[in-house]
Amino acid sequence: DQQVKQNSPSLSVQEGRISILNCDYTNSMFDYFLWYKKYPAEGPTFLISISSIKDKNEDGRFTVFLNKSAKHLSLHIVPSQPGDSAVYFCAASAMGGSQGNLIFGKGTKLSVKP
Amino acid sequence: DVKVTQSSRYLVKRTGEKVFLECVQDMDHENMFWYRQDPGLGLRLIYFSYDVKMKEKGDIPEGYSVSREKKERFSLILESASTNQTSMYLCASSLSAIYGYTFGSGTRLTVV
Repeated sequence: DQQVKQNSPSLSVQEGRISILNCDYTNSMFDYFLWYKKYPAEGPTFLISISSIKDKNEDGRFTVFLNKSAKHLSLHIVPSQPGDSAVYFCAASAMGGSQGNLIFGKGTKLSVKP
Repeated sequence: DVKVTQSSRYLVKRTGEKVFLECVQDMDHENMFWYRQDPGLGLRLIYFSYDVKMKEKGDIPEGYSVSREKKERFSLILESASTNQTSMYLCASSLSAIYGYTFGSGTRLTVV
């Protein structure tokens, strides 16, 4: 059973507009969430994270929102750029990340069109 | 910067061959992981290790084994390669999950 779900396999957005990538989780013990970005033929790279004590974290064009009651988080990219085209993975961990592994979603492929 | 180095970017092997994928990290991380990535299936955990000489099975360990003789090196072994093991293989290391994982660049393995 998938504990971290990214229900949209792909997303296409026009350059300059907002990209919203969604992630749902089922395990209420998850308390730390991360987003990774992956280009073809490269390993994933860390993008942004959020702890469950917050509901928003911002880093430049990237903002992650966490809705604990809905067990939902989203990554907003504003404005979207063609270089943002990549696969984005949502990941979660429990116990403050001190133990256990990251649980990854299946990823969403973002295409930003010029 | 933490560096995770995978020995090969691209490999082509024949069915039945024994294949070794090597991964080295330079930041003294206890935790190391092997994933495979396939379209539509995301990142699937094969094996992981929290310390030297220890290993734990992930979600899809069948057909694979691992070796961790030194803290910095974590090897993935395909005992007898099969075509369904054609995939992108990713190694990662971490201090703990809260610090996230650092991934290598990946090895694209093709089994013919």
